Amino acid sequence: DTGVSQDPRHKITKRGQNVTFRCDPISEHNRLYWYRQTLGQGPEFLTYFQNEAQLEKSRLLSDRFSAERPKGSFSTLEIQRTEQGDSAMYLCASSGLGTSGSYEQYFGPGTRLTVT
Amino acid sequence: QKEVEQNSGPLSVPEGAIASLNCTYSDRGSQSFFWYRQYSGKSPELIMFIYSNGDKEDGRFTAQLNKASQYVSLLIRDSQPSDSATYLCAYGGTNAGKSTFGDGTTLTVKP
Repeated sequence: DTGVSQDPRHKITKRGQNVTFRCDPISEHNRLYWYRQTLGQGPEFLTYFQNEAQLEKSRLLSDRFSAERPKGSFSTLEIQRTEQGDSAMYLCASSGLGTSGSYEQYFGPGTRLTVT
Repeated sequence: QKEVEQNSGPLSVPEGAIASLNCTYSDRGSQSFFWYRQYSGKSPELIMFIYSNGDKEDGRFTAQLNKASQYVSLLIRDSQPSDSATYLCAYGGTNAGKSTFGDGTTLTVKP
């Protein structure tokens, strides 16, 4: 039983560059979530998918951020024209309908982005 | 007011003691509640979830939920130094889409 995987684990980029992250969920999970976490804060919701449909996107999410899950399996998160404030850990989680009838989310290892 | 309030700590307990972590939330529509453990530099790890009022026990962990008081807690019995971490409280709404997280409580268990 493989867990959620994310690639790359670390990314250093210069301000103004575009970056793309990939997330592979647990294979039987139909929901996939993206969060962002900065030091000393809890994860902040960005967006989530059920299968290939993007069901919710945070109102705080800049237009520079876009996410896709084209075949309902892996997902990508792209940040265009990166800014220093984008430096954070980007977390992906997945869930399926659990035995309790709810959706417990399991996180991947995260991608740490540093914008210089 | 934050949607999920946790005492940031640090909370320090001696090895073998009970650690008590508390969380309050503002959304009365919340249906599901989660506790995650996060070691420094690592991603959150789900350790407990609870959906009904009352207690839920799993090994050394007990989660307690009181929806009327909008309060959820986590008890860790026989605390070990390996329990030293930040503990994140989170809730999900109806049909549990996104989860909303607190900023965590840092626990230190001293040998």
